[in-house]
Amino acid sequence: GENVEQHPSTLSVQEGDSAVIKCTYSDSASNYFPWYKQELGKGPQLIIDIRSNVGEKKDQRIAVTLNKTAKHFSLHITETQPEDSAVYFCASYRGSNYKLTFGKGTLLTVNP
Amino acid sequence: KAGVTQTPRYLIKTRGQQVTLSCSPISGHRSVSWYQQTPGQGLQFLFEYFSETQRNKGNFPGRFSGRQFSNSRSEMNVSTLELGDSALYLCASSSEGGSGELFFGEGSRLTVL
Repeated sequence: GENVEQHPSTLSVQEGDSAVIKCTYSDSASNYFPWYKQELGKGPQLIIDIRSNVGEKKDQRIAVTLNKTAKHFSLHITETQPEDSAVYFCASYRGSNYKLTFGKGTLLTVNP
Repeated sequence: KAGVTQTPRYLIKTRGQQVTLSCSPISGHRSVSWYQQTPGQGLQFLFEYFSETQRNKGNFPGRFSGRQFSNSRSEMNVSTLELGDSALYLCASSSEGGSGELFFGEGSRLTVL
């Protein structure tokens, strides 16, 4: 079945620095790649996504890149702030399966 | 627009009991999915429903079941609870289910003693 590997599992940065989280997927038929942010005691919140026909997407301080050939996609957060501290999950989706396959998550800590 | 609503938010059961969790999707969304989140296994897909039909099911035993009603609300049931069923159960809704854009509720935290 589909597998999504996510690295690193923990990431600590200073406020204002950039943070990068990387994921790889195994199913070449996957065509949608969302990123979720989960704060303590809450459900995952969709923060950005990218479809397989696009190589890069940006939304203010957050960007996602996709390399279909290598089956890699990454989340980039610039000018990090303490409120960015949370667990981030990448996921892959194939429309015919109607399910998301998640990475194991990255605990991001932004130190003031 | 109201988000995905899950009830109850917290519950404690003992081994052997059964539990029913409820999910109300975002208004207008017809697809509802359920996921189990545990520290060890992460987020695992349980099942997905669209217009009262289950379109996919994850690798969980038959003790886990679900259904969707004509108003798109969904329930999942776990029978003969085991300690390992302790988890956060998350419901997500999507407009059609084929686009991948899933919006999650806050979850129902189940503790099995």
